[in-house]
Amino acid sequence: GAVVSQHPSWVICKSGTSVKIECRSLDFQATTMFWYRQFPKQSLMLMATSNEGSKATYEQGVEKDKFLINHASLTLSTLTVTSAHPEDSSFYICSAQKWTGGNSPLHFGNGTRLTVT
Amino acid sequence: KQEVTQIPAALSVPEGENLVLNCSFTDSAIYNLQWFRQDPGKGLTSLLLIQSSQREQTSGRLNASLDKSSGRSTLYIAASQPGDSATYLCAVRDSGYALNFGKGTSLLVTP
Repeated sequence: GAVVSQHPSWVICKSGTSVKIECRSLDFQATTMFWYRQFPKQSLMLMATSNEGSKATYEQGVEKDKFLINHASLTLSTLTVTSAHPEDSSFYICSAQKWTGGNSPLHFGNGTRLTVT
Repeated sequence: KQEVTQIPAALSVPEGENLVLNCSFTDSAIYNLQWFRQDPGKGLTSLLLIQSSQREQTSGRLNASLDKSSGRSTLYIAASQPGDSATYLCAVRDSGYALNFGKGTSLLVTP
């Protein structure tokens, strides 16, 4: 159980276009979802935390107008990269937890490889 | 802000060797610490999770220890195999509830 599905697994888009990435909890309700990105040979960096029904909380240095996060239901969060540029090319991965708290297990999607040309 | 450091950044060993990967973190007020494996271009595979009240966890050839007061954890891999080649990530979960990741140790086990 506790499966998180992330879609698409990879996407190539042209500079200036927008890309939406979906993260779904398939067999549980996720009160909180986290979005990370990973540049080549770097670690995963937290971008934002989203709680269902609330505005996302963004980490310092992450542009909230560029990376739009929506968590409208307990099973779906989306990350939209608006007006993508080549420097946004990265590996994006989401994780979800059932309840709020540091001991709630975290479940990860398989990630999305974004390439902006 | 929590900082997680992993040493070494890269490691190459012949098959069969036992090895130790190190992780340190700056803020000891953590809920738990987790070790992951990441294969090239892939997502994360959780290996071991140690709660803050625990000292170690074992799974097969893997053993992870936690010394919360000193801000250190080690991942011990016994009898390494070529299939163990991957990047190993250490992550701590603190008051923000998200995981804070280290940069990883890239492991290559040669036949």
